[in-house]
Amino acid sequence: AQKVTQAQTEISVVEKEDVTLDCVYETRDTTYYLFWYKQPPSGELVFLIRRNSFDEQNEISGRYSWNFQKSTSSFNFTITASQVVDSAVYFCALNRGDTGRRALTFGSGTRLQVQP
Amino acid sequence: DVKVTQSSRYLVKRTGEKVFLECVQDMDHENMFWYRQDPGLGLRLIYFSYDVKMKEKGDIPEGYSVSREKKERFSLILESASTNQTSMYLCASSPQTLGSPLHFGNGTRLTVT
Repeated sequence: AQKVTQAQTEISVVEKEDVTLDCVYETRDTTYYLFWYKQPPSGELVFLIRRNSFDEQNEISGRYSWNFQKSTSSFNFTITASQVVDSAVYFCALNRGDTGRRALTFGSGTRLQVQP
Repeated sequence: DVKVTQSSRYLVKRTGEKVFLECVQDMDHENMFWYRQDPGLGLRLIYFSYDVKMKEKGDIPEGYSVSREKKERFSLILESASTNQTSMYLCASSPQTLGSPLHFGNGTRLTVT
């Protein structure tokens, strides 16, 4: 069985602070995919990034960066110099890599509040 | 851009009513999904479909059924709504390419009184 754990229920920071959202996953598969989604107050989940299990390179996109470590089964997400617009619920998710007929397993989400 | 449209943003129904939640996608995706979102529980899969007339149970299918008669449309049915089905319902679609992200609709907030 697969499982995704986001232990941080809610984080509050002041604008311009850096913040890291933790994601730990469990899977017995050797091929899998990891995702991060953002859910702003409007409600629609927005896809941010996907990594496959064979690519442990860290990725940076503007103020966002992701650290994937298979040794610790973690896929953490860092926002540098946070802004009020980053306030949202963030979900980490996992998918098996054996077939395209699979649903994502989501974590419980981390609510990030960025105060001005 | 992929568009996933859920027919209602807000719904209020009475206990025991039959409820239909409709979802339509415009990108010819093979896979469609229904998730339920509750505070502290994240998104939980109710059902998904990988082809017309095909369906698979997710983690919490009890009290729900689905219908997929056309590729672009996936309906979630609450046969007899109960108060514990008050929740946010999210529809999503994806192609069957390995590792494809899901594309979500805006959600339907259902209240059962």
